[in-house]
Amino acid sequence: AQSVTQLDSQVPVFEEAPVELRCNYSSSVSVYLFWYVQYPNQGLQLLLKYLSGSTLVKGINGFEAEFNKSQTSFHLRKPSVHISDTAEYFCAVTPSGNTPLVFGKGTRLSVIA
Amino acid sequence: DVKVTQSSRYLVKRTGEKVFLECVQDMDHENMFWYRQDPGLGLRLIYFSYDVKMKEKGDIPEGYSVSREKKERFSLILESASTNQTSMYLCASRTGGIVNTEAFFGQGTRLTVV
Repeated sequence: AQSVTQLDSQVPVFEEAPVELRCNYSSSVSVYLFWYVQYPNQGLQLLLKYLSGSTLVKGINGFEAEFNKSQTSFHLRKPSVHISDTAEYFCAVTPSGNTPLVFGKGTRLSVIA
Repeated sequence: DVKVTQSSRYLVKRTGEKVFLECVQDMDHENMFWYRQDPGLGLRLIYFSYDVKMKEKGDIPEGYSVSREKKERFSLILESASTNQTSMYLCASRTGGIVNTEAFFGQGTRLTVV
């Protein structure tokens, strides 16, 4: 079975500063990895995904993530955050197209003016 | 534009009532899911379905059932609502088979049981 650990439940950061949200996973098989964002009272929106190929994945809104198989990590980064990036971020993993995504507990990013 | 639609954004029900949460997707996806979201616990899988009339239990199925009579519609049923089922419920759909894609989510239904 797969599991996901998001190491920080809350991350406060000043506007225009860089941010990294950490995600580690455990699995005995190859996996596919996703980052989702949830704005208040909304559903989840895909930020980016790693399916295969280059380990550096670029997503929407200036976010990127790096898949590190040896570290079993998929950390999310943004070089300069905006107030509008304030939201909850979820990392997810699945081993195949027919199995549900398994989610971490989420990281609440608060951007301070 | 792909769409997953949940029938209600907010719902208030009384303890003991039978509650139906409806979800419809327009992407012809084989797989559909119901998750429950609670603060500090992330998203937990209640049930999923990989085909019409097929269902599989997730991590927390107790107190819930599901129905999938048509490919585009997946219903979550609370047989007898209890206050500990007060939560945000999220429906998602995803294509099946060897093609691995992301899940698409609805806007969520915030259910309060009083």
